[in-house]
Amino acid sequence: TQLLEQSPQFLSIQEGENLTVYCNSSSVFSSLQWYRQEPGEGPVLLVTVVTGGEVKKLKRLTFQFGDARKDSSLHITAAQPGDTGLYLCAGAGRGYGNKLVFGAGTILRVKS
Amino acid sequence: NAGVMQNPRHLVRRRGQEARLRCSPMKGHSHVYWYRQLPEEGLKFMVYLQKENIIDESGMPKERFSAEFPKEGPSILRIQQVVRGDSAAYFCASSSAGNTEAFFGQGTRLTVV
Repeated sequence: TQLLEQSPQFLSIQEGENLTVYCNSSSVFSSLQWYRQEPGEGPVLLVTVVTGGEVKKLKRLTFQFGDARKDSSLHITAAQPGDTGLYLCAGAGRGYGNKLVFGAGTILRVKS
Repeated sequence: NAGVMQNPRHLVRRRGQEARLRCSPMKGHSHVYWYRQLPEEGLKFMVYLQKENIIDESGMPKERFSAEFPKEGPSILRIQQVVRGDSAAYFCASSSAGNTEAFFGQGTRLTVV
């Protein structure tokens, strides 16, 4: 059972465009993490959000945690080819112990 | 290198052989998690261990798979009598006590031929 739905599954855009990736669930999480994974490598932690309504910025990346702590979004401004990769959201806590529940991921390709 | 270390990076096994995957957590981390990633799929939780204890193995297949995290040495994920369906990338992550923020290793890519 997939508890975290990510959309879109695939995204191919031109350099300089903006994009948003969504992560939705019917479950409440105590925290939500975003990872970026490149082919042949492990996921690299980008950010952790823990408070409902929280917004965190990491250079051109903006992460938001929904007020009810059931959903999150990742917005990238002026995408660059170096942003290409697989973006994964993962929820923790609220009955899941310390394990993470992952979304299926969004494959982003930024063309120059 | 203070990151999560996994070895080997690539492992090829014939059907029926055993596969042993090793994971050394980040320095200071006492919690280890194993995840499996199949092509075109996200990461699926397998098992959560602390030193000498299995805390949650709800994602681990009941047969052929086992995991341990001994007092000394790395965590080991062991797959006995491998089958083609076991081919996947296996990732280990670690965290400190009371912290759900997990850091991942580079994974072991298991290919069963």
